[in-house]
Formats: sequence, C-alpha cells, structure tokens
Amino acid sequence: KAGVTQTPRYLIKTRGQQVTLSCSPISGHRSVSWYQQTPGQGLQFLFEYFSETQRNKGNFPGRFSGRQFSNSRSEMNVSTLELGDSALYLCASSPIGPETQYFGPGTRLLVL
Amino acid sequence: QKEVEQNSGPLSVPEGAIASLNCTYSDRGSQSFFWYRQYSGKSPELIMFIYSNGDKEDGRFTAQLNKASQYVSLLIRDSQPSDSATYLCAVNMNSGYSTLTFGKGTMLLVSP
Repeated sequence: KAGVTQTPRYLIKTRGQQVTLSCSPISGHRSVSWYQQTPGQGLQFLFEYFSETQRNKGNFPGRFSGRQFSNSRSEMNVSTLELGDSALYLCASSPIGPETQYFGPGTRLLVL
Repeated sequence: QKEVEQNSGPLSVPEGAIASLNCTYSDRGSQSFFWYRQYSGKSPELIMFIYSNGDKEDGRFTAQLNKASQYVSLLIRDSQPSDSATYLCAVNMNSGYSTLTFGKGTMLLVSP
C-alpha cells in the first residue's frame, strides 16, 4: 500500500508570496491532518480535515488555510509568507482517528 | 494551555542497554497516547500507541501509561545504534478527532 505523499518536497519562496502544498493520503484514509515542525516549537497542529470538512483547527493565523477534496487529497495554503513560516510541513493521514496516523515525508519550506 | 513535556536529552545509552524515555501531559481528559520515532531529516514514524493504564509490549518496545500521574514512558530493550533518533510523545486530548499534541522530543543516542 502506497504511503502518504506530499508535493513539492522542497520549496523556496520570498516574503509576501503565497504557497500551496499538497498531500495525498493513504488509500482509504479519510482524515488528513497538517502539522508545522520547527526546531524551536517542535510539531504543532495546524488543522484536520475529514470528509472534506475541517474538523479541528490549531492556533495559527488566518494566513494558513486548507481544504480537502472528495478523493481525500488535501491542500494547505499560506498567504503573505513571513520569515517565521520557514519550517517542515507534515501531512498525516488516518482512517478515522489518531490511532493509525501516518506521516508523509513533508515539504520543507524556506522563506527568504 | 494543554502541554506535553519531554526531556530534550540527549539520552545516551550503550548498545544492548535499556533506554527509558519519559513524557508527562497536562490534560487529565486525554484518551490515547502515542510514541513516534523521527530520524534526522525524516518524518515521524509511529512506534506504538496505548490507551489503558499499564504496559503494552511490541517487540523490543514497551509503552507504560499511568493516567493518575499523567505519565507515559517508552522502554527500548536491547538498544541498537539504529535506534538513535528523536522520540516524540504525542497525546490525543480530544477523542474523536485526530489532533495530536506533541512533545518536543527526546534525542536518544545509542553508542556501539
């Protein structure tokens, strides 16, 4: 069974730009969660989607948004990028709950 | 603020020894608890999860949960150099959602 895939793997942007990251969950998984990982803050929850609905949201500004499509693929968007948005963005999928939440390889975003 | 705390380490153990990794959490209503392993430059991979007080064993790994003390631990028996990684404790504080609150991780170094 194919794992969680994320594209692109690496991205360099400049301040003020926007970026869209994509995540394809494991086949059959309906829940997709996004996390931001930085050396200082560790892994922080961004949001979770289940059956195209945002089920939960972390404490991030409105510049961070996401969506989920009918095939469970998910995208997250960050508008008006700031230097502090440089991080590893991880997507995790699970069938329903967190018991079998599997992470993708991540997208490493560098904002200059 | 609901938190998960881990000693950042590094925890250094010789090959063949038992490594003991600890985690405390602040939310008494937490339902399920997870241990992830993250190699440098890679994404987290699920080792095991535990729901009930007591021990749960999976190969060389044993997770221990004490809800009264709000304490979770991971024991790694017969530690190998390949176990050298950062170990992340994660807690599901909102049953029904996939949201995980992560500790910042403990770095484990196993020397040959």
